[in-house]
Amino acid sequence: SQTIHQWPATLVQPVGSPLSLECTVEGTSNPNLYWYRQAAGRGLQLLFYSVGIGQISSEVPQNLSASRPQDRQFILSSKKLLLSDSGFYLCALDRIEIANYGYTFGSGTRLTVV
Amino acid sequence: AQKVTQAQTEISVVEKEDVTLDCVYETRDTTYYLFWYKQPPSGELVFLIRRNSFDEQNEISGRYSWNFQKSTSSFNFTITASQVVDSAVYFCALSESGAGSYQLTFGKGTKLSVIP
Repeated sequence: SQTIHQWPATLVQPVGSPLSLECTVEGTSNPNLYWYRQAAGRGLQLLFYSVGIGQISSEVPQNLSASRPQDRQFILSSKKLLLSDSGFYLCALDRIEIANYGYTFGSGTRLTVV
Repeated sequence: AQKVTQAQTEISVVEKEDVTLDCVYETRDTTYYLFWYKQPPSGELVFLIRRNSFDEQNEISGRYSWNFQKSTSSFNFTITASQVVDSAVYFCALSESGAGSYQLTFGKGTKLSVIP
């Protein structure tokens, strides 16, 4: 079965520091991968998605970037964190092609920028 | 552009009461997918159901049921005989197909508190 590994679970970083969040997938090949962010008290916002190695689409202009160096690896980065980057970051893959399935989400990373 | 509205920000019910969570969506596509996800306090998102735009049949799964009405662009979720374990934030989401991927647009969520 398909599983998503996300780490770390919790992260506290100072303003201006770099960020690297990693997401890896098992049990499937050539998945569509997504990064979502959930700010406190708000819904989930799509940040980036990727349909293949090296293919990144950005939905929202921001202080973040994403990369997909391998088929089953998706990385979210920032060179200099802002306070507004705090939130709960979720990696996901879609299983829409399978009837009655939706997305599979990772367990998330709770980022606090101080 | 697609949009999902969950007008109820928070709902509190007493255990064993029935509760309905509302979801209204907007889309220009004729083919789309609707979802409900549960987010317990631990934070992970748990997939509950998916509905395709061409399938308006309502669905029941145990204490959960979903009412999909294209005429009113609504996809409401009812929990019967609620339990404390149902306490969570529930998200309705919409997906259209674009360039081989399926980006989800989420509503802002409804926080359900079931009081024992």
